[in-house]
Amino acid sequence: KNEVEQSPQNLTAQEGEFITINCSYSVGISALHWLQQHPGGGIVSLFMLSSGKKKHGRLIATINIQEKHSSLHITASHPRDSAVYICAVRSYNTDKLIFGTGTRLQVFP
Amino acid sequence: SAVISQKPSRDICQRGTSLTIQCQVDSQVTMMFWYRQQPGQSLTLIATANQGSEATYESGFVIDKFPISRPNLTFSTLTVSNMSPEDSSIYLCSGLGLTGGNEQFFGPGTRLTVL
Repeated sequence: KNEVEQSPQNLTAQEGEFITINCSYSVGISALHWLQQHPGGGIVSLFMLSSGKKKHGRLIATINIQEKHSSLHITASHPRDSAVYICAVRSYNTDKLIFGTGTRLQVFP
Repeated sequence: SAVISQKPSRDICQRGTSLTIQCQVDSQVTMMFWYRQQPGQSLTLIATANQGSEATYESGFVIDKFPISRPNLTFSTLTVSNMSPEDSSIYLCSGLGLTGGNEQFFGPGTRLTVL
């Protein structure tokens, strides 16, 4: 079993839909990152969380430390949101990032 | 936040040759990392680049295959040596910010294809 699990693996949506991507982890962490990877390969850090909730524009990230679970929400989705979204946790023991396998999102007009 | 650039952005190489990828950060970072992302896979840490000393490699990666340099706090190189088609991947440079809070930044990646 992977230490970081994401669901769903693939997601398609119509423009304007509300989207949720989930991340569960099994290790002790000091922080959780949500990353966005576009087809060219470059990665952009969207959020870093250690507790609670953060919002940036149409993106909202939440984390529940007790349940070892995080969600990334996209409100009013747009085709330009199409990308791979990666959850990564910083291991408390090793201080290194452990990556999920990513969720491929496609938003159609 | 730190901005990371990589050169080249992509390359197509012949089997048996070597390619050096450069990573430049626009501000000082405490730690620099090199990751590999094979097609359809998630990121795998190759090594931590240490300033002025040998890099720290993860299990399955060796210095002879992936020599790394980090001559100062803002620059590092990764060489992929004696390439084979299995080395076809995206290689990403990453840095851990100085400002605390463990913010980690990523470069745009180098897409390598080995024929």
